[in-house]
Amino acid sequence: SQQGEEDPQALSIQEGENATMNCSYKTSINNLQWYRQNSGRGLVHLILIRSNEREKHSGRLRVTLDTSKKSSSLLITASRAADTASYFCAIITQGGSEKLVFGKGTKLTVNP
Amino acid sequence: GAGVSQTPSNKVTEKGKYVELRCDPISGHTALYWYRQSLGQGPEFLIYFQGTGAADDSGLPNDRFFAVRPEGSVSTLKIQRTERGDSAVYLCASSLIPGLLEVGTQYFGPGTRLTVL
Repeated sequence: SQQGEEDPQALSIQEGENATMNCSYKTSINNLQWYRQNSGRGLVHLILIRSNEREKHSGRLRVTLDTSKKSSSLLITASRAADTASYFCAIITQGGSEKLVFGKGTKLTVNP
Repeated sequence: GAGVSQTPSNKVTEKGKYVELRCDPISGHTALYWYRQSLGQGPEFLIYFQGTGAADDSGLPNDRFFAVRPEGSVSTLKIQRTERGDSAVYLCASSLIPGLLEVGTQYFGPGTRLTVL
């Protein structure tokens, strides 16, 4: 079963706008990660946030984590057409193995 | 250096046949993972190796699925008596030893698209 749930399932915006995707999960985590996937093939790691961190930045990406609400958000600022992809959150549960548990993803479309 | 590679990139087989999918991890990565992704879904965990041994095989759906990593590098996922429901993209990932700086960061290969007719 998949514990991460992304919201929304699909998002369509214009180039230059910001895109926000949310992720909720159910268990205690070691860390939470965001991945990007183009055309249903290889996943690219974007950012990892540990359970004791609240916010991380990487270029145009900003990730927040609220462990009390068991939720995370990914913000992509000044979006580009090349950002069009599916975005997944994945968790590593606390005390569990190193396996990633993924959500179903958000399909982002950035229109030029 | 080179990333994770998977072969073949596409595999079409008939129901009941046996298939092998291969994964070459990033050199020096001791952990190797297999995931399966169906259309419109996120990847689902199958099995994880630390070195040569399977540290967690709780995601293997049934005994038709088996994976090996005999020398702690290349891994092969083996599926016996394939069924149409096995059709999916099979993804492999590798990572450094858990517990070091990049704990939990998994680097994925391009996947093998398996189609069972």
